[in-house]
Amino acid sequence: GQQVMQIPQYQHVQEGEDFTTYCNSSTTLSNIQWYKQRPGGHPVFLIQLVKSGEVKKQKRLTFQFGEAKKNSSLHITATQTTDVGTYFCAGRGSNYQLIWGAGTKLIIKP
Amino acid sequence: DSGVTQTPKHLITATGQRVTLRCSPRSGDLSVYWYQQSLDQGLQFLIQYYNGEERAKGNILERFSAQQFPDLHSELNLSSLELGDSALYFCASTSSGANVLTFGAGSRLTVL
Repeated sequence: GQQVMQIPQYQHVQEGEDFTTYCNSSTTLSNIQWYKQRPGGHPVFLIQLVKSGEVKKQKRLTFQFGEAKKNSSLHITATQTTDVGTYFCAGRGSNYQLIWGAGTKLIIKP
Repeated sequence: DSGVTQTPKHLITATGQRVTLRCSPRSGDLSVYWYQQSLDQGLQFLIQYYNGEERAKGNILERFSAQQFPDLHSELNLSSLELGDSALYFCASTSSGANVLTFGAGSRLTVL
């Protein structure tokens, strides 16, 4: 079946360092969404990418959708403590169902 | 407040028991999704309803069932509970034309 692989599972960074998480799909996606789940919280929608090669920015967050619409990335510049949480990608597959990545947990080193 | 209401917030029960989790979607949203999230794990899709009808099924166990009522609220029934069913159960809703899921705060189930 359709799968979305998300790596890494965890990323430990010093505050101020950058963070990147990657998602790769086994099949072409119609769109991809990103969600953030704070510790103890629920997933919250961040953004949706639809077009091949699309790049969107939200302040220090940069989201990319690959040319083949099979991969996507989220890059955070100069992480802050408020960025802590788990970032999930979710791709819309051919049957219109959302296929979720396993998430990448961003941990700020003390 | 996301507009999606889930009750109860916390539930502790024993193995073999049955529980019901309830979800009220955002006003106007017709579609309801149920997800299971075990400790520090990803989101496992269980089932989706649209306007009272089952739309899609994920990895939902036979011991689990769900329904969506005419007023659009949904219930997830978990029976013959096992220790491994301990998890956060999230409900999410979308409007008819939208892609984006709005999640509730979740129901944390602990099976002892």
